[in-house]
Amino acid sequence: KAGVTQTPRYLIKTRGQQVTLSCSPISGHRSVSWYQQTPGQGLQFLFEYFSETQRNKGNFPGRFSGRQFSNSRSEMNVSTLELGDSALYLCASSFLEGGNTIYFGEGSWLTVV
Amino acid sequence: GENVEQHPSTLSVQEGDSAVIKCTYSDSASNYFPWYKQELGKGPQLIIDIRSNVGEKKDQRIAVTLNKTAKHFSLHITETQPEDSAVYFCAASPPYNNAGNMLTFGGGTRLMVKP
Repeated sequence: KAGVTQTPRYLIKTRGQQVTLSCSPISGHRSVSWYQQTPGQGLQFLFEYFSETQRNKGNFPGRFSGRQFSNSRSEMNVSTLELGDSALYLCASSFLEGGNTIYFGEGSWLTVV
Repeated sequence: GENVEQHPSTLSVQEGDSAVIKCTYSDSASNYFPWYKQELGKGPQLIIDIRSNVGEKKDQRIAVTLNKTAKHFSLHITETQPEDSAVYFCAASPPYNNAGNMLTFGGGTRLMVKP
């Protein structure tokens, strides 16, 4: 069974640009969540989607957004990139809602220059 | 919101020794506590988890204990091996209605196992 797949794995963007990251959850998993990992702030929750609806959102500015498609695949978008947005963005999926086992992908490394 | 603290931030042990990593959480309503191992350049890998209706769980060389009264949980790795070297994260999940899968992570522990 394939794990959580994230694309692209590495990307470099310029300040002010926008970026879209993609995530395919484990087959059959309907919940997809996103996390940001930085050396300074650690692992922080961005948002979570279930059945195409955003259920939770972390404490991030509105420049960070996401969506989920009917096949459970998800994308997150960051607009007007800032240097501080450089991070590893991790997607995670789980089978059902509410406290079930969560599996992470390998992440997308974003560098903003 | 939930706050998870993890100690120590770095831990160096000799191969074959045991390693213990401790976490405390603030929200007494949290009911799910996973542990992840993250190797360099990779995403976090779930190694063991425990729910609040269980006090201890073991999987081969790895065990987790939970003390709900004191609001702390610990990861125990016995007979450590060099391949156990990685960063370990604890996390807690709140059980609020419709909370979904929102994990609050500890700051991580860099475990180094010396051959």
